[in-house]
Amino acid sequence: AQSVTQLGSHVSVSEGALVLLRCNYSSSVPPYLFWYVQYPNQGLQLLLKYTSAATLVKGINGFEAEFKKSETSFHLTKPSAHMSDAAEYFCAVSEYPNAGKSTFGDGTTLTVKP
Amino acid sequence: DTGVSQDPRHKITKRGQNVTFRCDPISEHNRLYWYRQTLGQGPEFLTYFQNEAQLEKSRLLSDRFSAERPKGSFSTLEIQRTEQGDSAMYLCASSLGSEINQPQHFGDGTRLSIL
Repeated sequence: AQSVTQLGSHVSVSEGALVLLRCNYSSSVPPYLFWYVQYPNQGLQLLLKYTSAATLVKGINGFEAEFKKSETSFHLTKPSAHMSDAAEYFCAVSEYPNAGKSTFGDGTTLTVKP
Repeated sequence: DTGVSQDPRHKITKRGQNVTFRCDPISEHNRLYWYRQTLGQGPEFLTYFQNEAQLEKSRLLSDRFSAERPKGSFSTLEIQRTEQGDSAMYLCASSLGSEINQPQHFGDGTRLSIL
């Protein structure tokens, strides 16, 4: 069975500071990993995905994530936070063959202070 | 690409009533997924369709829940005899196939509140 743990339900950073959102996964087979962003009263938008190609994955809005198999981690980073990054972020895992059926973490709310 | 559309956006009903939600996926997408999201948690998988066939249902989907996708286009999710615990955001997503290079596109959800 697959599972995801997001460490820290709330993260607060200053504008311009590094953003680091942590995600650890469990999967019995090589996983597919995703990060999504959700703004209030909206659905989820895909930021980036890991598909067993490059371990460093670049996504939209300047975000990137690194797959570390030895640590079973897929942490999300952004060098410089913008006010518009304030939202809830979800890490998700799915397994071959159904890449679409995902198990989500409980989310991390990112607050960006001016 | 007009995106995944869900209707209604909000539904308030009394306990014991039946409710039905609709999801219109992106037109060429053959896979459709339903998730439920409660406050402070991530989405939980409920069920998915490939074309009109319902291929998997989560154990979360009790007998009071039923989903259909006639003709492989739009889908409906019905909850009978609603309970307080059914209050949640119901999210629909669609994709073109199940391959990893075909990501899910989510709708904005239907928020259900049970009085």
